[in-house]
Amino acid sequence: AQSVTQLDSQVPVFEEAPVELRCNYSSSVSVYLFWYVQYPNQGLQLLLKYLSGSTLVKGINGFEAEFNKSQTSFHLRKPSVHISDTAEYFCAVIDTGTASKLTFGTGTRLQVTL
Amino acid sequence: ETGVTQSPTHLIKTRGQQVTLRCSSQSGHNTVSWYQQALGQGPQFIFQYYREEENGRGNFPPRFSGLQFPNYSSELNVNALELDDSALYLCSSSVQTGGFTEAFFGQGTRLTVV
Repeated sequence: AQSVTQLDSQVPVFEEAPVELRCNYSSSVSVYLFWYVQYPNQGLQLLLKYLSGSTLVKGINGFEAEFNKSQTSFHLRKPSVHISDTAEYFCAVIDTGTASKLTFGTGTRLQVTL
Repeated sequence: ETGVTQSPTHLIKTRGQQVTLRCSSQSGHNTVSWYQQALGQGPQFIFQYYREEENGRGNFPPRFSGLQFPNYSSELNVNALELDDSALYLCSSSVQTGGFTEAFFGQGTRLTVV
């Protein structure tokens, strides 16, 4: 079984400031890792994913994340945020073997203000 | 646009009633999964269908059932609705053969049980 912990339920940040959203996971098997963004009253949009290879992954909208196997973390970063980045962000993992279900964290609300 | 469409977008039902939610997968995807997202929570896996067979189920009672059709579209049926079933229901489609790469989500169906 897998579990995902997003330590911060809300992250307030000023526009053009850097941001890091934290994600830690627990799993007895190998996993793939994902970050999704959800805007109000919408579904989930994939920001980026780690399947294999380089542990630094770049995604859409200027986001990047680094997979750290020893710390079982997959933190999301952006060097300069915009008002339009205000949304809910979800970290998720999936078992590489069965790939039958995504396990999500509880989400982090990123609130960008002027 | 992910190519995954869900209908209806919103609906209101009375406790004890039955509901059917529909999902049209992205072209070429043979796997569909359903998730329940309660307010302020991350999505929770309900079940997955691969080539019309159930391929994994989360911790949901039997009154949650599903179907996948030969064209890979899918239905989620919920019987004997309870107030706690009020949530956003998300459908995702993916390709399992050749290795999982990512899941594409629809915009969701907002179900309110009164």
